[in-house]
Amino acid sequence: EVQLVESGGGLVQPGRSLRLSCAVSGFTFDDYAMHWVRQFPGKGLEWVSSINWNGGDIAYADSVKGRFTISRDNGKNSLFLQMDSLRPEDTAFYYCTKSSSAGPRGWLDSWGQGTLVTVSS
Amino acid sequence: IVLTQSPATLSLSPGESATLSCRASQGIGPYLTWHQQKPGQAPRLLIYDASNRATGIPARFSGSGSGTDFTLTITSLEPEDSAVYYCQQRTNWPPITFGQGTRLEIK
Repeated sequence: EVQLVESGGGLVQPGRSLRLSCAVSGFTFDDYAMHWVRQFPGKGLEWVSSINWNGGDIAYADSVKGRFTISRDNGKNSLFLQMDSLRPEDTAFYYCTKSSSAGPRGWLDSWGQGTLVTVSS
Repeated sequence: IVLTQSPATLSLSPGESATLSCRASQGIGPYLTWHQQKPGQAPRLLIYDASNRATGIPARFSGSGSGTDFTLTITSLEPEDSAVYYCQQRTNWPPITFGQGTRLEIK
């Protein structure tokens, strides 16, 4: 069974940093691209970032470009999102999601339970 | 690519059928995905590539369409089908984009 477990969310002040992690199991991690998707409280879904199977193909939403960094450690079956210069508008649930393929153009076929990031003074 | 879902909210009774629409601002071939999000839960995959049910999804759920117009149909509605349904495209990655969602209420 595919499992994606996010951690690292919490309350942080504007301008500070936070690092999210996603521990995966139930599939061969380095065969698949991964994504981060966020959901503003009570609102819809917004794609944040994608990384292909080996980290060689990465993309970011314009709203986070230059502030967030996606990475992965295939040896540890883990996905990360380093979030710097956080803003109140980054407050959201952050979901780790799995692509159906090694490249990021596959469909999103599995979701984690999400971790809440709150940016507030 | 902008995805526009309609209606925003749909209220139906158990046993009825629901038809949810998703329209893309430009052609995306068959590369449209539907996700279901129940209250307090993470989204989950329902349909990929317009018409393929994900593992474990009942046959009551079906998808159709190609190009710019897509439909999710749910027959024999059950109370557990109450959720927000999102369409999502991957043709134009990056970015991946989602529709704004259709809230389905079963009363």
